[in-house]
Amino acid sequence: NAGVTQTPKFQVLKTGQSMTLQCAQDMNHEYMSWYRQDPGMGLRLIHYSVGAGITDQGEVPNGYNVSRSTTEDFPLRLLSAAPSQTSVYFCASSYGGFSGANVLTFGAGSRLTVL
Amino acid sequence: DAKTTQPTSMDCAEGRAANLPCNHSTISGNEYVYWYRQIHSQGPQYIIHGLKNNETNEMASLIITEDRKSSTLILPHATLRDTAVYYCIVRAYGGSQGNLIFGKGTKLSVKP
Repeated sequence: NAGVTQTPKFQVLKTGQSMTLQCAQDMNHEYMSWYRQDPGMGLRLIHYSVGAGITDQGEVPNGYNVSRSTTEDFPLRLLSAAPSQTSVYFCASSYGGFSGANVLTFGAGSRLTVL
Repeated sequence: DAKTTQPTSMDCAEGRAANLPCNHSTISGNEYVYWYRQIHSQGPQYIIHGLKNNETNEMASLIITEDRKSSTLILPHATLRDTAVYYCIVRAYGGSQGNLIFGKGTKLSVKP
């Protein structure tokens, strides 16, 4: 099992550019989520999904879009990158989501810099 | 949602037990206590969780007070590799409250 795979690991964007952070899991987990982590801060929830076709907003959703067309994939889209979106992004998944223990498995992170 | 309070940082000698406290005085009856840790800049790693009984697994022990207002994570024999930020989180099963909300955690430094 690969677990939760995030790509790319590093990315530099210019203000206004768009990009997609990819997240894939091979554990057949129903629940997936995206967090961002700024220096010296805890993780903040951006968006989450409890299953294919279902997404919802977390604590800091502005500037980000998500979709969940398959159980395995949960991409995070930045439509017009801003310097305030410079951060490390973590994708996480769990089996059962809200109906279970929701023990999260995290990816290794994607470090994004917006100039 | 219940909130947690943790010390900003702690030190522990290698080979000794590391006891990490967490206060959650407003915890509800259906909220579980979770512990995760984050080593350097890696993704957080699940450690343990519990409702009201003490729990133990291969990584750690979780001691929850009888009134459930506080808990302690115990790493029985800390090693240098246990140096990390440890997050205490309370969470209910079900609905949007099922999302894990991370605070700033406790930075544990294990010293030789």
